[in-house]
Amino acid sequence: GNSVTQMEGPVTLSEEAFLTINCTYTATGYPSLFWYVQYPGEGLQLLLKATKADDKGSNKGFEATYRKETTSFHLEKGSVQVSDSAVYFCALRTFGNEKLTFGTGTRLTIIP
Amino acid sequence: DSGVTQTPKHLITATGQRVTLRCSPRSGDLSVYWYQQSLDQGLQFLIQYYNGEERAKGNILERFSAQQFPDLHSELNLSSLELGDSALYFCASSVEVDLVAEQFFGPGTRLTVL
Repeated sequence: GNSVTQMEGPVTLSEEAFLTINCTYTATGYPSLFWYVQYPGEGLQLLLKATKADDKGSNKGFEATYRKETTSFHLEKGSVQVSDSAVYFCALRTFGNEKLTFGTGTRLTIIP
Repeated sequence: DSGVTQTPKHLITATGQRVTLRCSPRSGDLSVYWYQQSLDQGLQFLIQYYNGEERAKGNILERFSAQQFPDLHSELNLSSLELGDSALYFCASSVEVDLVAEQFFGPGTRLTVL
């Protein structure tokens, strides 16, 4: 089956620090990979995605590269802001199985 | 604003009761997904409908059921409620069911079972 293993949180960083949130996966078939973000009191929003090996998804300064050889999709940002404080979810979908399989989520808090 | 609406925003009820959660997908989206977010289980897929037909089932209890109506809105019915059903229930919609179609999430309904 499909599963996503995500870096345990919570993660607390100072503003302008470098961020990495690790995500690895197992999948039956070739997955598309996603990062979703959930701000306090809101639903999930798609942050970025990648659909094939070596693709890099990017948005709002965040990046993640689809690494088939290591089955990973780590989220990075070079300089975080207080407004990035949220819960981040790594997720995947495989062909013929449109549901999203999520990781456990990582709560990120950025302090000024 | 994703364009997906869910009502009610909050629901407080007692064990043994039945509730209905409603979801209106984005205009033009044919596929609706229901997810449950709880502290112990995380985010889990419950069920998917496409253009009125059930398309996929996940970890949905027999006490739970859903349907999608001709106008494409969907309802999730939860019955014989237990304390453990307390969770945030999200609806998502997408235009198609292909691998890369983005799923847009509603703000969720927070269910508290006392």
